[in-house]
Amino acid sequence: GQQVMQIPQYQHVQEGEDFTTYCNSSTTLSNIQWYKQRPGGHPVFLIQLVKSGEVKKQKRLTFQFGEAKKNSSLHITATQTTDVGTYFCAGPWGGDMRFGAGTRLTVKP
Amino acid sequence: KAGVTQTPRYLIKTRGQQVTLSCSPISGHRSVSWYQQTPGQGLQFLFEYFSETQRNKGNFPGRFSGRQFSNSRSEMNVSTLELGDSALYLCASSLAPGGLDTQYFGPGTRLTVL
Repeated sequence: GQQVMQIPQYQHVQEGEDFTTYCNSSTTLSNIQWYKQRPGGHPVFLIQLVKSGEVKKQKRLTFQFGEAKKNSSLHITATQTTDVGTYFCAGPWGGDMRFGAGTRLTVKP
Repeated sequence: KAGVTQTPRYLIKTRGQQVTLSCSPISGHRSVSWYQQTPGQGLQFLFEYFSETQRNKGNFPGRFSGRQFSNSRSEMNVSTLELGDSALYLCASSLAPGGLDTQYFGPGTRLTVL
C-alpha cells in the first residue's frame, strides 16, 4: 500500500479554474518532492520542499509543506491545457523514495 | 549532460518467459531505483541500488531481481513472467540514495505479457 496518500485521484477542470492536490504522509518526512507526468511520458521533477511550513512558487504553481512536515499541497492557479497530466508527490520512507498514487488532471478548453 | 536511458523501450513476451531490462543513469549518479507503473497501482517501488549494492526492495516476489554494475548501469530481471507483470517499468537515477535527492526518470520500458 501507499505510505504517502494523495487526493483526489482525478480532477477535471475547466480551463482557467484553479486546481489543488493534497499529499499526506503517515510519518514526518525530511523532504517532499513533486513530479509531473504528461500522458505517455515519464515523471519529471518539479520541486523539492525541505523546511517546515515552506512555500515555493513556480509561475502559476504554488507548493506548500506542512508545519509538521507530514503533508503538502500543490495549487495551480488558472489552469491551462498544458497543465494536463498526473501530479505525484514523493518522499523518503523506510530508506527509499515512495510515491503517492498521483492526481490525474484533465483540463477542458 | 545525457539523461537516463532505458532499453528496450518496448517488449512483448509470453507467460513463463524471462526478461531483462537495462538502465543507464545520468553520468555521476550512483543511485538507481526501479519502479513498476500500472494504471491501477501507480508507481510501485521495486528496488534501489547504490554503489552496486541493493539498499532496499519493495513488496515484490523473488521473481523480480536486479543488479548494478561498477559503471552504475543497472539491470532488472523478471523470471517466469505472469500476465500481471504487464506494466511500464521506470528507472530513476539520483546523486544520493534513500529519497533524499531529485530523481531523474528514464522513458521507461513498456512490457506486455501475453
